[in-house]
Amino acid sequence: AQTVTQSQPEMSVQEAETVTLSCTYDTSENNYYLFWYKQPPSRQMILVIRQEAYKQQNATENRFSVNFQKAAKSFSLKISDSQLGDTAMYFCAFMKQVNGGATNKLIFGTGTLLAVQP
Amino acid sequence: DGGITQSPKYLFRKEGQNVTLSCEQNLNHDAMYWYRQDPGQGLRLIYYSQIVNDFQKGDIAEGYSVSREKKESFPLTVTSAQKNPTAFYLCASSIRSSGANVLTFGAGSRLTVL
Repeated sequence: AQTVTQSQPEMSVQEAETVTLSCTYDTSENNYYLFWYKQPPSRQMILVIRQEAYKQQNATENRFSVNFQKAAKSFSLKISDSQLGDTAMYFCAFMKQVNGGATNKLIFGTGTLLAVQP
Repeated sequence: DGGITQSPKYLFRKEGQNVTLSCEQNLNHDAMYWYRQDPGQGLRLIYYSQIVNDFQKGDIAEGYSVSREKKESFPLTVTSAQKNPTAFYLCASSIRSSGANVLTFGAGSRLTVL
């Protein structure tokens, strides 16, 4: 069974600085997808970034980028120029294909609570 | 605006009562999901549905039931058989394809058993 591990329950960063959140996963699959979701105090889950395992290039979305190391099964999230609005719980998630690719189930890590300090 | 609506936002239940959480989407998505969120445990999949009139158990389906009579709706019933129902429940939906389907989430429902 696939598992996702986030070893940092809480982190803190000063506004405008850079922070990296760690995520490792375990799978025997070769084709899969990885995601980072953000859950602010409103508790609305918001997609931050996604990565296809077959792509070697790391995904980037504005201030958010990932360091995807497939052999090491590592998928860390880097937030540059941190803003107060980045304060949230961040979840790493793994997606495999089931039922011939018709449905995709997300497996989540336990989350990292990030606090951006002014 | 397209999105997912969950209701109620807060729900209180006495022990032994069944309750139903509503989830409606107007995104024309085929697949819908129910997740449970507990502190320190992330999100865990309860049930999911690929198409109307079809659904499958997730990792923690015991004590829950669902129906999918319409494409737009995927209600979750928390039955009295669920031993620890107090939690935050999230509904999500996605298109069906072989690619990296992004899940869109609702705002959640907080269930408290008194």
